[in-house]
Amino acid sequence: AQRVTQPEKLLSVFKGAPVELKCNYSYSGSPELFWYVQYSRQRLQLLLRHISRESIKGFTADLNKGETSFHLKKPFAQEEDSAMYYCALVSNTGNQFYFGTGTSLTVIP
Amino acid sequence: NAGVTQTPKFRILKIGQSMTLQCAQDMNHNYMYWYRQDPGMGLKLIYYSVGAGITDKGEVPNGYNVSRSTTEDFPLRLELAAPSQTSVYFCASSPQQRIAPQHFGDGTRLSIL
Repeated sequence: AQRVTQPEKLLSVFKGAPVELKCNYSYSGSPELFWYVQYSRQRLQLLLRHISRESIKGFTADLNKGETSFHLKKPFAQEEDSAMYYCALVSNTGNQFYFGTGTSLTVIP
Repeated sequence: NAGVTQTPKFRILKIGQSMTLQCAQDMNHNYMYWYRQDPGMGLKLIYYSVGAGITDKGEVPNGYNVSRSTTEDFPLRLELAAPSQTSVYFCASSPQQRIAPQHFGDGTRLSIL
């Protein structure tokens, strides 16, 4: 069963426009959700985790348990945001970790 | 600032050959993970370890073995390479488990022909 779904493989927005990368999950219990980012020629790195309720590089993500979503948002996209973004979930037992297939974001100057 | 180091970066194997993908971290992290990423897919967990001497299966462990004799090293072994194991392999580590993998290696691109 697909645990994490990222419906958009590719997403393009203009610089300064709002951006939303969608993530839906399927898991009972209380999973923890994360966003990872991979910039060109760089390693995959952790961007956000929902338990921290933090804003990193202007990005935020709110866990919506009713809609089982964890969309990543930024009000004003920058060119340096162009990257591959992965949504991920860890099981409530902490020993299983599921990644989405990723969304490639391109910010057009 | 080495972080997580994976070797080799690229490798081509023939069907039936064996090899070990090396992974080392210098951050004294207890938790280490091996993932594979097939084209157009997300990462899938192969094996993980919560500390030296302790390993457990992830989502796709068949065809692989791991060991964790030290905190620093977490090698992944392919005993009989099959074309289905053609993938990019990532090693990762974190100081705690549910906090999720925080540090990834550069990956090893493996082709089985």
